[in-house]
Amino acid sequence: GEDVEQSLFLSVREGDSSVINCTYTDSSSTYLYWYKQEPGAGLQLLTYIFSNMDMKQDQRLTVLLNKKDKHLSLRIADTQTGDSAIYFCAEIPTQAAGNKLTFGGGTRVLVKP
Amino acid sequence: NAGVTQTPKFRVLKTGQSMTLLCAQDMNHEYMYWYRQDPGMGLRLIHYSVGEGTTAKGEVPDGYNVSRLKKQNFLLGLESAAPSQTSVYFCASSYVRTGEAFFGQGTRLTVV
Repeated sequence: GEDVEQSLFLSVREGDSSVINCTYTDSSSTYLYWYKQEPGAGLQLLTYIFSNMDMKQDQRLTVLLNKKDKHLSLRIADTQTGDSAIYFCAEIPTQAAGNKLTFGGGTRVLVKP
Repeated sequence: NAGVTQTPKFRVLKTGQSMTLLCAQDMNHEYMYWYRQDPGMGLRLIHYSVGEGTTAKGEVPDGYNVSRLKKQNFLLGLESAAPSQTSVYFCASSYVRTGEAFFGQGTRLTVV
């Protein structure tokens, strides 16, 4: 089946680094994505990585991709209280028409002062 | 630049009533989607469209209909609302090449 899996919850202290992990299903997925959802809001695209890359850095965000293990991670450096949200990883499986995204269940990140 | 706009933001319906949710995007995207988000269920795709005049079923299409008469608009209809359709509904649109999807702010629907 098409299951993208994430841990449910992560608690981190303000100023520390957060690492959110995800395993995806389709080793041929071209792009993999990280979305952020704040309470009462829609999903916001944080970053994405092309499948021929191992790493992508964007300010405080670092995405690591291990294609062999089908593992994707998002590292947030110097985590702030504003980073408290639900984070979703997503893939577009190669057989998916219309760029249909398959989402993980989301990881709720709580940043403690 | 508004991005993806959904109306209404909140709605309460009685069982059996009908309604239409409107989604509008101003990014000239070909692809548009309707999702529902329920606690413990993540995001599930209801219907999607790969272009004006075309629609297709997603993972959970039963009880919903859609139309894409104009490229910038994607309408989701509930003909006879049921309590099981109580959810938060999100519309999204995306670039064809990279699949980057942009979401609206959501419509919180309660069916009593």
